[in-house]
Amino acid sequence: AQTVTQSQPEMSVQEAETVTLSCTYDTSESDYYLFWYKQPPSRQMILVIRQEAYKQQNATENRFSVNFQKAAKSFSLKISDSQLGDAAMYFCALLYSGGGADGLTFGKGTHLIIQP
Amino acid sequence: NAGVTQTPKFQVLKTGQSMTLQCAQDMNHEYMSWYRQDPGMGLRLIHYSVGAGITDQGEVPNGYNVSRSTTEDFPLRLLSAAPSQTSVYFCASSYWGARIAEAFFGQGTRLTVV
Repeated sequence: AQTVTQSQPEMSVQEAETVTLSCTYDTSESDYYLFWYKQPPSRQMILVIRQEAYKQQNATENRFSVNFQKAAKSFSLKISDSQLGDAAMYFCALLYSGGGADGLTFGKGTHLIIQP
Repeated sequence: NAGVTQTPKFQVLKTGQSMTLQCAQDMNHEYMSWYRQDPGMGLRLIHYSVGAGITDQGEVPNGYNVSRSTTEDFPLRLLSAAPSQTSVYFCASSYWGARIAEAFFGQGTRLTVV
């Protein structure tokens, strides 16, 4: 069984500052994907960033980057130059790529507040 | 660019009633799935399908049925609604067996069972 843990129920950051959201996971598989999804008040699940476990290089998407530590099973999300539109729930998720039939395993989420 | 379409967006049911949540995708994805989201919890997998005619149970399947007669559609049926099924339901689709594993989500259905 796979588990994903987000230890920060809520985080607050000043606009234009940098914030890091934590995620740890547990899996016995060696080949998997990790994701960060954003869920604004509209409820829509929006993919923020994706990391393949076999890639050593950390993924980056504009202001969003990850720190992927495979040995430590850690996958944190860094948001630089925070904007008011970044306010949302953020979910870390894991997908075993050996078949994917088990679907995504999600953490419980981190509520990100942006202070103007 | 419809993506994944879920209907309805909101629904109130009485205990014991049945209903079907609809999900359709136009991306020719083989894999489709249903999740429920409860307060303080992440999304949890209810049922999934890897192609037409093939379905299987996820983590929390009790009280729900699914079928997959076409690639595009994957309805979720509540046979006899219970208050414990009050939740937000998401349908998702993705390619199956490819290295590109991004899941596309519908906008969710907020279901209240009274």
